[in-house]
Amino acid sequence: EPEVTQTPSHQVTQMGQEVILRCVPISNHLYFYWYRQILGQKVEFLVSFYNNEISEKSEIFDDQFSVERPDGSNFTLKIRSTKLEDSAMYFCASSDLGATEAFFGQGTRLTVV
Amino acid sequence: GQQLNQSPQSMFIQEGEDVSMNCTSSSIFNTWLWYKQDPGEGPVLLIALYKAGELTSNGRLTAQFGITRKDSFLNISASIPSDVGIYFCAGTVYGGSQGNLIFGKGTKLSVKP
Repeated sequence: EPEVTQTPSHQVTQMGQEVILRCVPISNHLYFYWYRQILGQKVEFLVSFYNNEISEKSEIFDDQFSVERPDGSNFTLKIRSTKLEDSAMYFCASSDLGATEAFFGQGTRLTVV
Repeated sequence: GQQLNQSPQSMFIQEGEDVSMNCTSSSIFNTWLWYKQDPGEGPVLLIALYKAGELTSNGRLTAQFGITRKDSFLNISASIPSDVGIYFCAGTVYGGSQGNLIFGKGTKLSVKP
């Protein structure tokens, strides 16, 4: 069964460093998303991406964040200068055109120290 | 921003019992989705609902899209130990964009064998 895959599963980084989280969405999906979940809290929308551009972003997705689809299969989230409060699980998701249901990857646990 | 009120926050039940949880909002939703999340994993889609009044089943799971479009419930019949996890409702708000899912805070289900 097709699935969204994310790498790495766990990333530890020092405050102020840049991190790139990687995702391979389901191959025939056209919408891609990043969500985050701070430990013990609900899942929060960060950004949606369609047709090689951001279609919507939340107030969490500030100038420190960027997304890119560098090739036909990968979708990345970059945090330019990490802060302690960026520590969370980051989930990539994808959906088909016109479909609301998003399929999530297993997540990357980001720990900023 | 829009909020989803999910209840109960946690449940401790005996194997074989039925479970019911629900989500309500002051906003009208276009879709309701129910996800299950195991520890350290991403949310897994259980059921998707698209029309007011819609009642959908997936095995022992049944979910309904409220007639007012402001609520949804999920029932699990004859619970088993592998039902343990956190259940999230999520949805897209009327007038919102595809993929910008609003999540509830989750219902943590514990099942005693």
